[in-house]
Amino acid sequence: NAGVTQTPKFRILKIGQSMTLQCTQDMNHNYMYWYRQDPGMGLKLIYYSVGAGITDKGEVPNGYNVSRSTTEDFPLRLELAAPSQTSVYFCASSIAPRGGHEQYFGPGTRLTVT
Amino acid sequence: DAKTTQPPSMDCAEGRAANLPCNHSTISGNEYVYWYRQIHSQGPQYIIHGLKNNETNEMASLIITEDRKSSTLILPHATLRDTAVYYCIVRVGDAGGTSYGKLTFGQGTILTVHP
Repeated sequence: NAGVTQTPKFRILKIGQSMTLQCTQDMNHNYMYWYRQDPGMGLKLIYYSVGAGITDKGEVPNGYNVSRSTTEDFPLRLELAAPSQTSVYFCASSIAPRGGHEQYFGPGTRLTVT
Repeated sequence: DAKTTQPPSMDCAEGRAANLPCNHSTISGNEYVYWYRQIHSQGPQYIIHGLKNNETNEMASLIITEDRKSSTLILPHATLRDTAVYYCIVRVGDAGGTSYGKLTFGQGTILTVHP
């Protein structure tokens, strides 16, 4: 049981390039989330999904897109990278969060846009 | 979701109990108190959560005041590996409405455990 895995661990992008951050979970969780964490700050929600085929925006969705074609995978797409997207990106998953279920986080992807 | 207030930093000697306070004076009746921690450069790790009663697991204890306006996370025997940022988060338990289970992270408390 690997939990939540993310690839790549590190990436450097030039301004205007695009890339996809991969996230996979093997716990059969319906809910999945993408957060970003800027230096010295708490995490902010980018997008979330409540199940395959269903996604919605979080607090800071501009510049990102997501898809959820399977229960396991929740990739995050950056289309035109900007320096403001330099951050650490965390993917998380949980059972449908009723009655207080925890979220499980991946190890993160550290992205630098120059 | 209710806002939380935590001290920015705390110190603790190794082997002693670490008591981390959290104020959530505007908490609603259906909101849970969650604690997560983030060890340097890693993803956040779930510690414990509770609604009204005190809770204990293998990692920590959670003490919630009777009026639910504040809580304390207790690490009974802190080790150097417990050095981390600790986040107190208040969140609605049900997935309905607009909560969708999201976690709102504040600045947290930097706990430093020293030898």
